[in-house]
Amino acid sequence: GAGVSQSPRYKVAKRGQDVALRCDPISGHVSLFWYQQALGQGPEFLTYFQNEAQLDKSGLPSDRFFAERPEGSVSTLKIQRTQQEDSAVYLCASSDSGSRTKNIQYFGAGTRLSVL
Amino acid sequence: AQSVSQHNHHVILSEAASLELGCNYSYGGTVNLFWYVQYPGQHLQLLLKYFSGDPLVKGIKGFEAEFIKSKFSFNLRKPSVQWSDTAEYFCAVNAGKSTFGDGTTLTVKP
Repeated sequence: GAGVSQSPRYKVAKRGQDVALRCDPISGHVSLFWYQQALGQGPEFLTYFQNEAQLDKSGLPSDRFFAERPEGSVSTLKIQRTQQEDSAVYLCASSDSGSRTKNIQYFGAGTRLSVL
Repeated sequence: AQSVSQHNHHVILSEAASLELGCNYSYGGTVNLFWYVQYPGQHLQLLLKYFSGDPLVKGIKGFEAEFIKSKFSFNLRKPSVQWSDTAEYFCAVNAGKSTFGDGTTLTVKP
């Protein structure tokens, strides 16, 4: 596709439910990032993939959060046993490997997760 | 750890007014600096970037930013804003991974 695609756009979950958020990056982009954006704040880094390798997961807030990118393209962010504090917009971004462009991230529209 | 501070949470201007949004970062090494914009109902998109070279960088829609290394600053400017500039603006620093400020909401009154 032309841009980064995320689904679903909106997700309402009951506390304790598991959720899976999908990110389809720009075709050919090597790097993929997940961010969490709480209301009134900027995006906060969660995790980073280069191809299928998860190189940095230092931002994942707890072991309830898990991300994968098994074939180096589509990525899924899974949150187990959701809590109210997980309510946020989850953003995915991708970038390519060109030396002048590798730090330019292209963002998807995000998934707004509401945990009741 | 790197951090980014945006001084203004909400700025309200009239059309044709000049704009300057402050951004300071803390990181001791080489960084790449970015401003992103999020228009209402749209996703984050790149406004401009600084990697190296001329510290005055120009972006889309007449925006520019100046990197002042001694002040750890990367302020965003536009000489004359338009109603269509109403959006949220995020400063970000990348030194391996990106750190964003909390954003500045700009409202331009027609």
